[in-house]
Amino acid sequence: AQSVAQPEDQVNVAEGNPLTVKCTYSVSGNPYLFWYVQYPNRGLQFLLKYITGDNLVKGSYGFEAEFNKSQTSFHLKKPSALVSDSALYFCAVRDRDTNAGKSTFGDGTTLTVKP
Amino acid sequence: DAGVIQSPRHEVTEMGQEVTLRCKPISGHDYLFWYRQTMMRGLELLIYFNNNVPIDDSGMPEDRFSAKMPNASFSTLKIQPSEPRDSAVYFCASSLGPLNSPLHFGNGTRLTVT
Repeated sequence: AQSVAQPEDQVNVAEGNPLTVKCTYSVSGNPYLFWYVQYPNRGLQFLLKYITGDNLVKGSYGFEAEFNKSQTSFHLKKPSALVSDSALYFCAVRDRDTNAGKSTFGDGTTLTVKP
Repeated sequence: DAGVIQSPRHEVTEMGQEVTLRCKPISGHDYLFWYRQTMMRGLELLIYFNNNVPIDDSGMPEDRFSAKMPNASFSTLKIQPSEPRDSAVYFCASSLGPLNSPLHFGNGTRLTVT
C-alpha cells in the first residue's frame, strides 16, 4: 500500500518570504515523488518530480523540493513567495518497484500568500 | 497537443438519472486515471487503466459506478443511478508509460445531482 500525508491544510506566508509545504510518503518500494498545483476551476498541473540522484529538485515557477529518504519526506519550497503562488498544492507518489502505475495523492495544502 | 479533454464541463441532473462523463487522453499516453474531488474526501482515485485495460478499480464507490476504455483515445465513467452524494468534480488524467512520468489532468467535470 502507498500513501501520502500533507500535515497542513493551510499555509500562510507574506509575499517575499520563503515558503515550505510539507509532504511525507509511504511506499513498499522506492518512490517517484511529484508536486502538483491546482488553481480554481482547473485540473492539477505538474510542478516538479523526484526520480533519483540529487535530493534537491528544481521545477517550474521557482519552486524546488527536497527529498529526504530517512524521513520519507518531500517538502516543497520557494525562497521568495509571490501572491500569484496562492493555490492548492498536492504531493503524489508512485511506487517504481511494483510497476503497478498507481498514483496516490495527499489531501492538498492551500497556500495563501499575502501582499 | 490539446491536453486531456473532458466533457461536459458541468452536468446537473436529478437523482436516479444516468450520467456519463467522457475523457479523451493525450495521444500516446499509456495510463488513464479517473479521480473524484470533494471538499470532504479530497482527491480520490476511482479507477485506472493501462493500455486500455482496467488495472485497479478498488476505488469505485459501488456498483452504480462503471468505467470503460474501448480504445486508446476515449474513456467513459458512468453513474447509474445517480445520487446527491455523487456530486463532486470528476477528473480524468493520463500519463506516459514510464512510472516517473507525471499525470496530465483535464479541467474536470463538475457534477451536481439534485
